[in-house]
Amino acid sequence: GENVEQHPSTLSVQEGDSAVIKCTYSDSASNYFPWYKQELGKRPQLIIDIRSNVGEKKDQRIAVTLNKTAKHFSLHITETQPEDSAVYFCAASGSYSGGGADGLTFGKGTHLIIQP
Amino acid sequence: NAGVTQTPKFQVLKTGQSMTLQCAQDMNHNSMYWYRQDPGMGLRLIYYSASEGTTDKGEVPNGYNVSRLNKREFSLRLESAAPSQTSVYFCASSYRIQRYNEQFFGPGTRLTVL
Repeated sequence: GENVEQHPSTLSVQEGDSAVIKCTYSDSASNYFPWYKQELGKRPQLIIDIRSNVGEKKDQRIAVTLNKTAKHFSLHITETQPEDSAVYFCAASGSYSGGGADGLTFGKGTHLIIQP
Repeated sequence: NAGVTQTPKFQVLKTGQSMTLQCAQDMNHNSMYWYRQDPGMGLRLIYYSASEGTTDKGEVPNGYNVSRLNKREFSLRLESAAPSQTSVYFCASSYRIQRYNEQFFGPGTRLTVL
């Protein structure tokens, strides 16, 4: 099955600086890579996603890059703000039963702390 | 639209007790999922249902059973709860287009097994 590694586990940046979170995946058949933001006690919320036929996607201050050859993808947040403080999870589409590739495999999360 | 709803929000069980977690979605999605979230472990897939009438195991299915009652509802049952099943359980749903499946999550059920 799929395996997703995420780094770092904790990231502290000054307000206004950029933050980068990196993930690697193992299954070359995975072709969908979402990023979720989770605030304390809340549900995960999708913030951006990328499909395997695209190398980069941007939405205002958030961007995601994908390198299929190296099997890694990254989340970039520019001009960080206090409300960006949360846990961020990367994920990859994965196959569990050899055919039904419906579930997501998640990384273990990055706790992003924005220092004022 | 309520999106994805889950009941109950909180539950405390004793070891050996059984219970069913309920999930419903009103977005006409065909696929539904159950995940558990443990500290430092991210979310792990327990079971999923690609479409009404089908269910399949995920990464950590042991100790659980599921029922896809209809297109809207997908329940998760713990037959004999164990302390290792203390976790936060999230239900999710998606409209599966090929393999690009943006998943929407419910608010979660916080379960403690004593």
